[in-house]
Amino acid sequence: GNSVTQMEGPVTLSEEAFLTINCTYTATGYPSLFWYVQYPGEGLQLLLKATKADDKGSNKGFEATYRKETTSFHLEKGSVQVSDSAVYFCALRGGGSQGNLIFGKGTKLSVKP
Amino acid sequence: GAVVSQHPSWVICKSGTSVKIECRSLDFQATTMFWYRQFPKQSLMLMATSNEGSKATYEQGVEKDKFLINHASLTLSTLTVTSAHPEDSSFYICSILAGGPNEQFFGPGTRLTVL
Repeated sequence: GNSVTQMEGPVTLSEEAFLTINCTYTATGYPSLFWYVQYPGEGLQLLLKATKADDKGSNKGFEATYRKETTSFHLEKGSVQVSDSAVYFCALRGGGSQGNLIFGKGTKLSVKP
Repeated sequence: GAVVSQHPSWVICKSGTSVKIECRSLDFQATTMFWYRQFPKQSLMLMATSNEGSKATYEQGVEKDKFLINHASLTLSTLTVTSAHPEDSSFYICSILAGGPNEQFFGPGTRLTVL
């Protein structure tokens, strides 16, 4: 079945450091891939998405590229800020599914000033 | 994006009682809503898919008689945890589809603690 594996946290970085959170997936067909962010006390928010191979999703300085050959969708940001501290979830939606998502376990990011 | 609210944000109940959680779509008529459960340090796990006016579709291993879902209108879905037990303590999150299968918006979640 479909599954998502992302690096376990917590990840602690200093402000302006480079961020990478790895995410790999297993899926049949052609899934859509997502990164969601959950700030403390809030619900999940879509950060970015990619719906086909080689697509790059980007938002708020974050980027992730849909790599079918390596079944990966790693999240990157060149210079993190304290306000980026949150839990990040990688997720996929199977091709043809109604919309339900399969999530990774989440990676907690803490950015120190 | 669409705005989704949940009520209550947290609830504590005694073992054996039932608890109802509401999920409201504030600015979109949602035909499809999802209910997820998130245990501490675990991923969100889909419990059921709810389509307005029809019975919910439950994921394997989720007891439909224990977790009653009602999606009676395009703006409201409810999840009732019947005869709750401590192992039901979790974070329950709803979401809606708004505009397509890749457009899913989440509520802030409800923390249930069963004593």
